[in-house]
Amino acid sequence: QSALTQPPSASGSPGQSVTISCTGSRTDVGGYAYVSWYQQHPGKAPKLLIYEVVKRPSGVPDRFSGSKSGNTASLTVAGLQAEDEADYYCCSYTGDNNLVFGGGTKVTVL
Amino acid sequence: QVQLQESGPGLVKPSETLSLTCTVSGDSITNNNFEWGWVRQPPGMGLEWIGSIYVGTTYYTPSLKSRITISEDASKNQFSLRMNSLIARDTAVYFCVRRTSGDYLDSWGQGTLVTVSS
Repeated sequence: QSALTQPPSASGSPGQSVTISCTGSRTDVGGYAYVSWYQQHPGKAPKLLIYEVVKRPSGVPDRFSGSKSGNTASLTVAGLQAEDEADYYCCSYTGDNNLVFGGGTKVTVL
Repeated sequence: QVQLQESGPGLVKPSETLSLTCTVSGDSITNNNFEWGWVRQPPGMGLEWIGSIYVGTTYYTPSLKSRITISEDASKNQFSLRMNSLIARDTAVYFCVRRTSGDYLDSWGQGTLVTVSS
């Protein structure tokens, strides 16, 4: 199973929005409504941001939103803040109880 | 609030077997609403799903299936990962995780760095 494709980097100024894409295939992203997104700060464990494509766990600000079209899922961070500078990973169900992650996107707040 | 904590050796020699344990508190690993699994992250690189265990049934990612075993000890509320025939590329931070029925990972351990080196 190949990793999902994410851009290696993205950036924006405080207050701006940034959108990260996550491209797979019909056997993962396009085939299931089980895409999740994680935020990871350096030296820390990843933290769940979005699950089942569009849902936010309690405690995650509504500045974070998810969507999907065909084989591509997206994470949008609106109103960028300094603490949003981190690595972001998408993850999809692939069938046979397996999961696959994206390669990760480093978000820089300019 | 569930908490997960990995434990195991920080250094393993090539060709040897790695054994890691995850101790769970705040939930029971026999809770059939969740799977218990492992993710790894080589230094400076991305996340890789390893596999999980659900009420005694194991699921492994195809690329590692021949080398790994995940098991559980309900009496200690722990689950474990064994990986054999280690090579340098297995050097990574290993995270234990709780996986939900929606196929997302809602709880993570802090991670433990395993270095494969002679």
